[in-house]
Amino acid sequence: DQQVKQNSPSLSVQEGRISILNCDYTNSMFDYFLWYKKYPAEGPTFLISISSIKDKNEDGRFTVFLNKSAKHLSLHIVPSQPGDSAVYFCAASIYGKLTFGQGTILTVHP
Amino acid sequence: NAGVTQTPKFQVLKTGQSMTLQCAQDMNHEYMSWYRQDPGMGLRLIHYSVGAGITDQGEVPNGYNVSRSTTEDFPLRLLSAAPSQTSVYFCASSPLAGNTEAFFGQGTRLTVV
Repeated sequence: DQQVKQNSPSLSVQEGRISILNCDYTNSMFDYFLWYKKYPAEGPTFLISISSIKDKNEDGRFTVFLNKSAKHLSLHIVPSQPGDSAVYFCAASIYGKLTFGQGTILTVHP
Repeated sequence: NAGVTQTPKFQVLKTGQSMTLQCAQDMNHEYMSWYRQDPGMGLRLIHYSVGAGITDQGEVPNGYNVSRSTTEDFPLRLLSAAPSQTSVYFCASSPLAGNTEAFFGQGTRLTVV
């Protein structure tokens, strides 16, 4: 039973447009949510996070939205750049134990 | 500042062989963990530790052992490698259990033939 799901394996976006990556979860005990970015042959790197008591967190071009009633979070990247092309993982935490989604491959075309 | 260092980067094992994947961090983090990444599966937690001398199982612990004798090191042992353990392994550390901005190593790509 996958507690964190990213239902879109891939997303293709034009440079300058918005990228929206989605993530759904089932466990209402998760208290912290994160997005990680991963390039090939590298480890994941932290991108942005949000506490379960908030509904939005913004950091430059990246904004994470949390809808607790729908158990859904999303990552918005505006504007998208070719260097954003990578695999994006959402993760949810209970007491520091992270559960990851399957990942979404984002491709930003020049 | 090295961060989280994993060795080796690549390894090929024969079925039944044993080996240890090394992980070291120089950030004095209390919380360390091991994940495996398989296609379409995301990263799955194998084992984790909240401090020296304390370890616990994650989602997929079978076939793996860990120990935490120091704050810096958290080795992962495969006692008898199986083809199902072919994967990319990542070690991560974070300051506290509950502070979940984990820092990851570069990964170890393991193939069991």
